[in-house]
Amino acid sequence: GAVVSQHPSRVICKSGTSVKIECRSLDFQATTMFWYRQFPKQSLMLMATSNEGSKATYEQGVEKDKFLINHASLTLSTLTVTSAHPEDSSFYICSASPGGLGETQYFGPGTRLLVL
Amino acid sequence: AQSVTQLGSHVSVSEGALVLLRCNYSSSVPPYLFWYVQYPNQGLQLLLKYTTGATLVKGINGFEAEFKKSETSFHLTKPSAHMSDAAEYFCAVSVDNYGQNFVFGPGTRLSVLP
Repeated sequence: GAVVSQHPSRVICKSGTSVKIECRSLDFQATTMFWYRQFPKQSLMLMATSNEGSKATYEQGVEKDKFLINHASLTLSTLTVTSAHPEDSSFYICSASPGGLGETQYFGPGTRLLVL
Repeated sequence: AQSVTQLGSHVSVSEGALVLLRCNYSSSVPPYLFWYVQYPNQGLQLLLKYTTGATLVKGINGFEAEFKKSETSFHLTKPSAHMSDAAEYFCAVSVDNYGQNFVFGPGTRLSVLP
């Protein structure tokens, strides 16, 4: 149980285009979903937290107009990187939490974004 | 605010040897502690977690960790390393028991030598 999927697993795009990444909880309802960014050989940096039906809460330094997050249902959240630039190239990982007492975060497999 | 340090960005052990990955945390309130493993180009998989109760926590793949409040530590161990254990390991701390507000350590890369 507690499986989270991400799509696509890898994407290459041209500079200036927008890219959408989907995160789905397959066998549970996710009260909260999280989006992380991971640079090579570094730890995960939380970008934003989203609750279903609410606006996402962004971490300091993360541009909300550049990284659009939508959490339209209890099983789906999307991250759209708008007007992507080479410096946006990174590994993006989502996680989802059922939100109950004693719960944890369940992570997706990640999406490798390369902006040319 | 809570924080996590992991001593040793890279640890190498021989196959069959003891694995010890160190994690120390700081938290102003009782912490909830987690160890995750990440294989190349993959997401994170939960190894084990400490919430309340028994301080020695057993996880998957033969790993275990002990919460020591006096030392503010949550070190991860495995008696005998396998080649398949080679991966990146992350310690994380949270101040709530609802799967929110995780702070991750910098990670430790474990290499297992034949």
